[in-house]
This record gives sequence, C-alpha cells and structure tokens, in this order.
Amino acid sequence: GESVGLHLPTLSVQEGDNSIINCAYSNSASDYFIWYKQESGKGPQFIIDIRSNMDKRQGQRVTVLLNKTVKHLSLQIAATQPGDSAVYFCAENYNGDSWGKLQFGAGTQVVVTP
Amino acid sequence: EAQVTQNPRYLITVTGKKLTVTCSQNMNHEYMSWYRQDPGLGLRQIYYSMNVEVTDKGDVPEGYKVSRKEKRNFPLILESPSPNQTSLYFCASSRSNYPGLAGEAYEQYFGPGTRLTVT
Repeated sequence: GESVGLHLPTLSVQEGDNSIINCAYSNSASDYFIWYKQESGKGPQFIIDIRSNMDKRQGQRVTVLLNKTVKHLSLQIAATQPGDSAVYFCAENYNGDSWGKLQFGAGTQVVVTP
Repeated sequence: EAQVTQNPRYLITVTGKKLTVTCSQNMNHEYMSWYRQDPGLGLRQIYYSMNVEVTDKGDVPEGYKVSRKEKRNFPLILESPSPNQTSLYFCASSRSNYPGLAGEAYEQYFGPGTRLTVT
C-alpha cells in the first residue's frame, strides 16, 4: 500500500476512552454524508453514512451525528482501540449537482495511546 | 475476493510522457471514480463514471482523461503529465451512485493507491 504524509489535525486518545472526530461541511444543500477511515498504507475504507433526513445513526462502536443548522458532522468511536489509529475523513454529497460527486474534508489523524 | 486493483502501484515519469493508470473492479459495480490525495488537501475527485460510457468531471479534472468502455475498467490517462500531477491516486467503485431509499450504503471500495512522481 501507500500512504501520504499529511499535516493534519491530530486527536490523541487513550485506549478505552471514547473518541469524537468533528467535521464542518461546506454545502448547506448536501444531503448525504459518509465517514471514511484510512490506515497507513491503505486506501480509505467506509465506516458509516447518514442522510440529511436523520440527525443520528449508530453502527458497531460508532455513531454519526449530523447538525444541519451549523453544518457539522461528528463521528464518535466508543472504547477506542489501537486498531482505530488512522486518518478519518468526512465526505458530503450534493444531489442537486450529481449523486456521483463527492467532496472530502482534509481529515483528522487519530492516535490511540496505550 | 472482492477488490479494486490499480496498476502500476508506483510510477516515476518525466514531464510530457503520456501514461495510463489502470483500475479494475470485480464486483460488477456501476459507479467508479478517481481521486488524488495531496498533503493537507484530503481526497479530491478527478472524474467519475455512473456507468459504461457515462463519465463526468469531478473537482480537479484538468490534465486528466478517463474512459469507461466496459463496466469493470476505468483507466486514468495523463496525456502530458506535469510535476503538479505528482500525487497519490486512488480509484474507487460502488454498487450504485445512489444511496437508495431503504438507506443502503453508498459504500465506495477503494484501491490500494498509485504513487505517481512526475519530474
């Protein structure tokens, strides 16, 4: 695989604690949002998605919250594990343009410490 | 095994020498897309394809071409590469470009990446 050296915001979390990763999106008309995880040397991997008609969605150990009023998205990871160390990206999709067009945020580096 | 493959994985080339990065998926996905990833800029979409013979520009299409003659392949072509195209490139595919009324995931599967250096 390959990785890229990213000068990103970093979130340091102790193993077992909960993590909260934030994302401000740009288009108030965006109607679909996705969180991706990118481990070092790999391509991004889907974590969870949410549509604009919802404000919360839960998966396995992860929860996504959407606040359309302030155009804010967050990803909560419960009981963070060493394997959660990665870069996390949010992405938004605006149907008024095309379902095919996705815009990604710059990412947040999560470092899990023992 | 369901996967997206890219070739080559690493490429160093010179300005102006045409190159193609191949992308192939074995999941019968309709939607495919190319991204470039640069430090501090996240992933930026270059081109995407909703289906065979249907392609459209993403946010940074300048200097790139694509084609979608068959469902499984979506090559990225740089007719005259320049140093500002030095980047990490990812191809991705998904079953559909539409999330679905039942809340089906718009899950894109990404390839392992191609590191391109243009000198």
